[in-house]
Amino acid sequence: GAVVSQHPSWVICKSGTSVKIECRSLDFQATTMFWYRQFPKQSLMLMATSNEGSKATYEQGVEKDKFLINHASLTLSTLTVTSAHPEDSSFYICSARDPQGSGGTQYFGPGTRLTVL
Amino acid sequence: GNSVTQMEGPVTLSEEAFLTINCTYTATGYPSLFWYVQYPGEGLQLLLKATKADDKGSNKGFEATYRKETTSFHLEKGSVQVSDSAVYFCALSSHTGGFKTIFGAGTRLFVKA
Repeated sequence: GAVVSQHPSWVICKSGTSVKIECRSLDFQATTMFWYRQFPKQSLMLMATSNEGSKATYEQGVEKDKFLINHASLTLSTLTVTSAHPEDSSFYICSARDPQGSGGTQYFGPGTRLTVL
Repeated sequence: GNSVTQMEGPVTLSEEAFLTINCTYTATGYPSLFWYVQYPGEGLQLLLKATKADDKGSNKGFEATYRKETTSFHLEKGSVQVSDSAVYFCALSSHTGGFKTIFGAGTRLFVKA
């Protein structure tokens, strides 16, 4: 099946620094990617929809200046958490939609665990 | 808007017991329905899916049938194993919703030997 990778798988950073997370579709071209965050023992919350070559669409309540999304190619989207603070610590998961797949199937990355000290 | 409601957990079963996790949805149009599984410390894995009414998705002994009349997609397995212990998420995605995946709250399953 289709594979989506994320890098890094985990990161620890100091408060005030910025962290970039990469999401790659390895064997298909993804015109649309999605970014989610998941707090411990909770469900996934959609943060934004990333479309190749255009600006991301953010969900209500998500600060676009804090969570910068770039979808520069059909296989890569990046999420940058700017000026990270401890409350940004979370599990960030991306997904990519395969336009050739049926029924809007998305493939999820393994997630990136961010810890801000 | 679109939403997914699934039964609260945790669900604790003995090995070889029958499993049902209820899931209902609200959506405009004709969404695709999914069950994802998340093992401790890991990302999401697609367990099964159904793209139209009366479709049955199945994988690894798990099954779910897309019931449009009851807007449900209940997950079942006839005989659970300890290795099935995980969190299960019901989800939907639709063209009218821009293919965003909407997740239920998740149901944690513990299977005892």
